[in-house]
Amino acid sequence: DQQVKQNSPSLSVQEGRISILNCDYTNSMFDYFLWYKKYPAEGPTFLISISSIKDKNEDGRFTVFLNKSAKHLSLHIVPSQPGDSAVYFCAAGGGKLIFGQGTELSVKP
Amino acid sequence: ETGVTQTPRHLVMGMTNKKSLKCEQHLGHNAMYWYKQSAKKPLELMFVYNFKEQTENNSVPSRFSPECPNSSHLFLHLHTLQPEDSALYLCASSQAVGFQGLEKLFFGSGTQLSVL
Repeated sequence: DQQVKQNSPSLSVQEGRISILNCDYTNSMFDYFLWYKKYPAEGPTFLISISSIKDKNEDGRFTVFLNKSAKHLSLHIVPSQPGDSAVYFCAAGGGKLIFGQGTELSVKP
Repeated sequence: ETGVTQTPRHLVMGMTNKKSLKCEQHLGHNAMYWYKQSAKKPLELMFVYNFKEQTENNSVPSRFSPECPNSSHLFLHLHTLQPEDSALYLCASSQAVGFQGLEKLFFGSGTQLSVL
């Protein structure tokens, strides 16, 4: 049973537009949520996180939104850049991190 | 060197071979992890060590054997693997396990393993 789900395996966006990556979870006990970015042949790197007591966290072009009632979080990237093309994993934590299966973002010039 | 370093980057082995994956972290962290990433699947947690003690074994087959001699080094010993074990094996570290907000993981680049 997958506790963290990213239902879109891929997303294609035009440069300069907004990218929205979605993630759903089932366990209401998760305390915090993170997004990781992964380029080919590299390990995932931490991007941004949010605690369960907040509903929004912003860091430059990246904003994470948390909707606890819907058990849903999203990552907004604006404006999107070609260098943002990568696989994005969401993860939820409450003692150990549980990862989603990833969404491959392609930002086209 | 900084961060988390994994060797080798690529490994091809037969089903009867014995090999080891190595991970070293230079971040002063106390927790280390092995993850498995198969294509189009979530990262699967395999093992967790916190202050050199194994705190998690996520129902991993015994043909995978971890070793953590100190907080900076982590090994994954492999023997009699199956072709379905072919995957990217990622090592990660964090400050500690079980402390909210401190479990931000820092990953190595991984070992791409192919079992023939």
